[in-house]
Amino acid sequence: AQTVTQSQPEMSVQEAETVTLSCTYDTSESDYYLFWYKQPPSRQMILVIRQEAYKQQNATENRFSVNFQKAAKSFSLKISDSQLGDAAMYFCAYRSGSGNTPLVFGKGTRLSVIA
Amino acid sequence: ETGVTQSPTHLIKTRGQQVTLRCSSQSGHNTVSWYQQALGQGPQFIFQYYREEENGRGNFPPRFSGLQFPNYSSELNVNALELDDSALYLCASSLIGYLFGAGTRLSVL
Repeated sequence: AQTVTQSQPEMSVQEAETVTLSCTYDTSESDYYLFWYKQPPSRQMILVIRQEAYKQQNATENRFSVNFQKAAKSFSLKISDSQLGDAAMYFCAYRSGSGNTPLVFGKGTRLSVIA
Repeated sequence: ETGVTQSPTHLIKTRGQQVTLRCSSQSGHNTVSWYQQALGQGPQFIFQYYREEENGRGNFPPRFSGLQFPNYSSELNVNALELDDSALYLCASSLIGYLFGAGTRLSVL
């Protein structure tokens, strides 16, 4: 079974600075997807960024980028120019590329942004 | 996009009761998944429906059951509620990516 591990229960960053959230995963599959979701106090799980395992290029969405290391099974999220609105729980998630499979989530990292 | 809507937003039940949670999925998304998120934890997969049939289930007992309807809405039913069922229940609809609702917060007293 696939597992996702987020080793940082809490992180903090100064406004306008850069922060990196860590995620590792375990799988024997070669075809899969990786995601970062943001969950603010409103509870809605919002997709931040997505990475297909077959793509070597790291995904980027505005201030959010990932460092995808397939051999190391590592998928970290970098947030640049942090804003107060970035404060939230961040979840790393895995989905198999075969069939209609569910997401497997890590336990999350709580990010605080300090003004 | 119409998004994913869940109802109710909050619910309080007592142990032993039954509860039905509802989800209105994104139009055209033929897969709906339900997740349980305990306080301070990541979401755990309960089950998934594809074209009105269950096609995947996590490690949850049979008292957790569901339905998916042709209009992309779905239900999660929980019988014989236990205290540990207190959690946020999330519905997600998907075509390729997953679109989540804001969840139903269930408290079992």
